[in-house]
Amino acid sequence: EAQVTQNPRYLITVTGKKLTVTCSQNMNHEYMSWYRQDPGLGLRQIYYSMNVEVTDKGDVPEGYKVSRKEKRNFPLILESPSPNQTSLYFCASSFGEGGYGYTFGSGTRLTVV
Amino acid sequence: KQEVTQIPAALSVPEGENLVLNCSFTDSAIYNLQWFRQDPGKGLTSLLLIQSSQREQTSGRLNASLDKSSGRSTLYIAASQPGDSATYLCAVVHMEYGNKLVFGAGTILRVKS
Repeated sequence: EAQVTQNPRYLITVTGKKLTVTCSQNMNHEYMSWYRQDPGLGLRQIYYSMNVEVTDKGDVPEGYKVSRKEKRNFPLILESPSPNQTSLYFCASSFGEGGYGYTFGSGTRLTVV
Repeated sequence: KQEVTQIPAALSVPEGENLVLNCSFTDSAIYNLQWFRQDPGKGLTSLLLIQSSQREQTSGRLNASLDKSSGRSTLYIAASQPGDSATYLCAVVHMEYGNKLVFGAGTILRVKS
């Protein structure tokens, strides 16, 4: 089944403890992206990657890191999480730039206390 | 800057009604427009993808139209059912923003039985 898989689905952590949210797609998509969703602010892009070893900042990149060493994986790293990073996170992928649709993962609900 | 607006913000209808959700965007230089459904706390499910060269797409009881020149799209849901209750999100891929999806705030739909 074609899908984007995120792990974990739920995570509660403490301020400052480094964490990684994994994202993997099995559709050979070139483009991958991370979004966060917050009440009243909607979905905002954090980082994106157009291809392996190519990443760039989205609208809200502060406090996050990403890497794209393989085409299928695009992990989101929070080096020192803070409570304002409590949010619902989504990974998404697409074939590439242009008129292709997006497939989203099921989401990761992160709480930082 | 591309902005996407969805009207109404919330809608409550009795089962069986036909209904229309509206989406407008400020810049017509888009690759495509995608409608998503999101259940509370869950991921985004793609409903319909309309390329910039297309006027409409249909899937079952759903029909989405696109008028790129006026910056508008509508999602028509025929014979609504309680299972249609969810948040419906409209998003565009803008030509100048790489492959970024720009989302509207969504329409919260409740279908009463």
